[in-house]
Amino acid sequence: GAVVSQHPSWVICKSGTSVKIECRSLDFQATTMFWYRQFPKQSLMLMATSNEGSKATYEQGVEKDKFLINHASLTLSTLTVTSAHPEDSSFYICSARPDRATEAFFGQGTRLTVV
Amino acid sequence: DAKTTQPPSMDCAEGRAANLPCNHSTISGNEYVYWYRQIHSQGPQYIIHGLKNNETNEMASLIITEDRKSSTLILPHATLRDTAVYYCIVSPRGGGFKTIFGAGTRLFVKA
Repeated sequence: GAVVSQHPSWVICKSGTSVKIECRSLDFQATTMFWYRQFPKQSLMLMATSNEGSKATYEQGVEKDKFLINHASLTLSTLTVTSAHPEDSSFYICSARPDRATEAFFGQGTRLTVV
Repeated sequence: DAKTTQPPSMDCAEGRAANLPCNHSTISGNEYVYWYRQIHSQGPQYIIHGLKNNETNEMASLIITEDRKSSTLILPHATLRDTAVYYCIVSPRGGGFKTIFGAGTRLFVKA
């Protein structure tokens, strides 16, 4: 099946700093990618839809100025958590689905810890 | 909002079949039933999908009722490695469609 890769797998940052998470589709092109956040013992919550060459679409309640999304190519989307605070500590997951595929493919996730 | 309802948790003995139910009574005609699972601290993994016919692959079988309002995922011989959260999701096909997760079913496979 198709492969979606995230980097880094885990990151620790200080409060007030920004951290960038990359999501790559390794063997297919993705005009659309999706970003999720997952808190412990909870389900995945969709944060935003990343659109290649245009602005991301954010779900209700997600601050677009805090979670910057850039989808500069058909194989790469990035999520930047700006001015991170401890409450932003979470498991961030991206996904993409090739247009001709039926299923979505997910990255392995990035565990962010803000100290 | 998620369009599916699943039991929060289930137990299964190792080697036995695990039958995970899902209710999707508001499913639309163009929506497929997808099943994913998430093993602890990993990204979700695709298992199987179907539109209206029963489906089987190397991982599982999917039984969809004739009215398409519910389905059952069957793991024929559960192993300890099948312990995970299983998500039933309805969605149209295509790269632009969102995958919205509900609470899922936490399956514990016991030795």
